[in-house]
Amino acid sequence: QKEVEQNSGPLSVPEGAIASLNCTYSDRGSQSFFWYRQYSGKSPELIMSIYSNGDKEDGRFTAQLNKASQYVSLLIRDSQPSDSATYLCAVKRGGYQKVTFGTGTKLQVIP
Amino acid sequence: DAGVTQSPTHLIKTRGQHVTLRCSPISGHKSVSWYQQVLGQGPQFIFQYYEKEERGRGNFPDRFSARQFPNYSSELNVNALLLGDSALYLCASSFGNDGLINTEAFFGQGTRLTVV
Repeated sequence: QKEVEQNSGPLSVPEGAIASLNCTYSDRGSQSFFWYRQYSGKSPELIMSIYSNGDKEDGRFTAQLNKASQYVSLLIRDSQPSDSATYLCAVKRGGYQKVTFGTGTKLQVIP
Repeated sequence: DAGVTQSPTHLIKTRGQHVTLRCSPISGHKSVSWYQQVLGQGPQFIFQYYEKEERGRGNFPDRFSARQFPNYSSELNVNALLLGDSALYLCASSFGNDGLINTEAFFGQGTRLTVV
């Protein structure tokens, strides 16, 4: 079982729709959860961090965490073509800074 | 404010050579981590340094080594390069090491290493 699992996609959504990206993790000791966006050929860019169960909203982005189900998701409202990228889910235990990444989900927003 | 800076941005090396990659963290950040990202995969953790001490090591061979300097900048060294070492090498900077707060990691632009 992979430590962090994501559907590789591509996930295609029309412009203006809600994109829903999902991630599951295996380590129940995980305490910090991150979503990164990575454009082709570029480095990952931090979008959201979430540490407690529930929802966290930042602009068009909402991160959702359910530790009991070991599940974290990212919703992108009013999707734009510029949101087309690979979205990486990342998970960290408390303490040292080893962050474990999923393989990423490729999102395509169709104009 | 300057973000995380890495040098060089691109590098071509021959099998068997060694390479040194450099990273300067965000001002005020004391932790630097190194990751390797091959095409189609997520970044893989190599090392973490905090306050000049190694705090974590991923599943990489001893050909990989790193260090952190008093100004918190860092070097990643790879000896006896193999074709499979070709990848994007990412440096991530964060303020702290422990706990939850201030441990968000911010990446530099990466060094694209090609081994031929």
